[in-house]
Amino acid sequence: GESVGLHLPTLSVQEGDNSIINCAYSNSASDYFIWYKQESGKGPQFIIDIRSNMDKRQGQRVTVLLNKTVKHLSLQIAATQPGDSAVYFCAENRAGGYQKVTFGIGTKLQVIP
Amino acid sequence: DAGVIQSPRHEVTEMGQEVTLRCKPISGHNSLFWYRQTMMRGLELLIYFNNNVPIDDSGMPEDRFSAKMPNASFSTLKIQPSEPRDSAVYFCASSSQSPGELFFGEGSRLTVL
Repeated sequence: GESVGLHLPTLSVQEGDNSIINCAYSNSASDYFIWYKQESGKGPQFIIDIRSNMDKRQGQRVTVLLNKTVKHLSLQIAATQPGDSAVYFCAENRAGGYQKVTFGIGTKLQVIP
Repeated sequence: DAGVIQSPRHEVTEMGQEVTLRCKPISGHNSLFWYRQTMMRGLELLIYFNNNVPIDDSGMPEDRFSAKMPNASFSTLKIQPSEPRDSAVYFCASSSQSPGELFFGEGSRLTVL
């Protein structure tokens, strides 16, 4: 079926190192992808998005890479900080009408001081 | 802007009781979403509205669940009768673009005993 899944449920990273969170998607019709961050007790918060006509997009300390050939999405966080500790979700949306955003299971990022 | 506002933040009820969760989207947003989050199933889309009209309710678990959006500034999610397996955090989100960023509320944590 159509689903978004994550390879790693938990990722531990030393403060200052770079983090890479991976995500696989299965819906070939999806053409818009989003990364969300969820801190404990809060709702998900938008980080960065990318459309399927792009391979890479950069934000502040974050980069999203999209490989449509293998249906893979990744989020790179540079110089990881304690405040980056959270659960990260990739989500996909099929553009062109319905805004049906489907979320993956999530990856927990633990930053070690 | 105050963001998406949900109430109650926490609710504990007994099996068989009616539960009503409320959401006030961000002013000017024309799409509203209800999600349910559990450890086992992650973030599940229950229903979403566009311009106050339900567009897709295929995620609503069963007839015990119903959602309404009587106007652009208010939506409810009702569970009647509630069951222990309905225990979860219920999130409301709104959006002004399609596709685009979803703005989530803080969630309503429901515990059904």
